[in-house]
Amino acid sequence: EAGVTQSPTHLIKTRGQQATLRCSPISGHTSVYWYQQALGLGLQFLLWYDEGEERNRGNFPPRFSGRQFPNYSSELNVNALELEDSALYLCASSFPTSEETQYFGPGTRLLVL
Amino acid sequence: AQKVTQAQTEISVVEKEDVTLDCVYETRDTTYYLFWYKQPPSGELVFLIRRNSFDEQNEISGRYSWNFQKSTSSFNFTITASQVVDSAVYFCALSEESTGANSKLTFGKGITLSVRP
Repeated sequence: EAGVTQSPTHLIKTRGQQATLRCSPISGHTSVYWYQQALGLGLQFLLWYDEGEERNRGNFPPRFSGRQFPNYSSELNVNALELEDSALYLCASSFPTSEETQYFGPGTRLLVL
Repeated sequence: AQKVTQAQTEISVVEKEDVTLDCVYETRDTTYYLFWYKQPPSGELVFLIRRNSFDEQNEISGRYSWNFQKSTSSFNFTITASQVVDSAVYFCALSEESTGANSKLTFGKGITLSVRP
């Protein structure tokens, strides 16, 4: 069974640009989660999507946004990039019931210059 | 508010030593879930175990074992006879039923384990 996939693996942008990160969940999973792992800040929850709707959001500014498509894949968009947005962005997926485990993809490393 | 504390930041052991990774959590919920993930240098988080708040049974899986104690709000992870391949960052995480247990994970800062040959 294929795991969570993310693209691209690496992304280099300059300050002020926009970045788009993509995630495909495990087959059968309808929930997709995004986390940011920045140096010194640990793993922080960004967004949760289920059935195409944003269900929960972490403490991040509105320039972090995303969407979930009918096939349950998801995009994370970061507008007006800042240097501190440089991080590993991890996507996870799970079944939608409350007891389920989140399984993570390999991540996208975003570098903002 | 939920919180996970991993007081150890880095641990270095020699191969075949046993090592215990500590995790202390805070939550006001009576129903919650605890997790351990492993992050090798490649970056992907690998799921190791999930435990719900009503199941205090310790668990053993090969060289790995977990000790869950609600009385001390701890969920410690022991690797027996460590191997070089165990070198990674290990994260403890918590989710709460009241916020939707699968809505978000709160992670500790992680423990970097280095196993030397």
